[in-house]
Amino acid sequence: KQEVTQIPAALSVPEGENLVLNCSFTDSAIYNLQWFRQDPGKGLTSLLLIQSSQREQTSGRLNASLDKSSGRSTLYIAASQPGDSATYLCAVTMDSNYQLIWGAGTKLIIKP
Amino acid sequence: DAGVTQSPTHLIKTRGQQVTLRCSPKSGHDTVSWYQQALGQGPQFIFQYYEEEERQRGNFPDRFSGHQFPNYSSELNVNALLLGDSALYLCASSPGTGAPYEQYFGPGTRLTVT
Repeated sequence: KQEVTQIPAALSVPEGENLVLNCSFTDSAIYNLQWFRQDPGKGLTSLLLIQSSQREQTSGRLNASLDKSSGRSTLYIAASQPGDSATYLCAVTMDSNYQLIWGAGTKLIIKP
Repeated sequence: DAGVTQSPTHLIKTRGQQVTLRCSPKSGHDTVSWYQQALGQGPQFIFQYYEEEERQRGNFPDRFSGHQFPNYSSELNVNALLLGDSALYLCASSPGTGAPYEQYFGPGTRLTVT
């Protein structure tokens, strides 16, 4: 059974710092991995999707990497801003399976 | 493009009652998935609908049922509500057939059971 873990559960850093969020999964037979952002009480916004054949994806100040063999993904946020404060979740899709399997998220607070 | 829309935004129900939540997928998408997100947790997959049929189901009891209409919109029905059903219910849509694609989420419906 696939399990997705995100560490740390919460993170508070000063504005301007570069930071890394971690996501690990127990079964490497994934189809893809997505990083999402969730603002309090709101739905989910997809940030980056990495196919299993890819190593990384970039969008603006965000960079996500994937190492299938070790069951790990990282989300790198450069030059953090207060507007980046949110909960970040990662989710995987398995081969021949349609559901997203989620971590519990990392709550990020960027202090001005 | 309106994206994925859900209604209602918030809902308060009493234990034992029944509730229906609605979702309209993003234009061009024919697949709808439903997720339950309890406070402080990641979402849990309820089921997915494609071509008006339930294609896959997560570990939820039969009190949770759904429907997809010919225009690809979908409903989630929950019978005999329990306090533990209080959660944010998220709908996601995706295009195409076969292998899973990137899912786009609606804003969710916040259900409170008292």
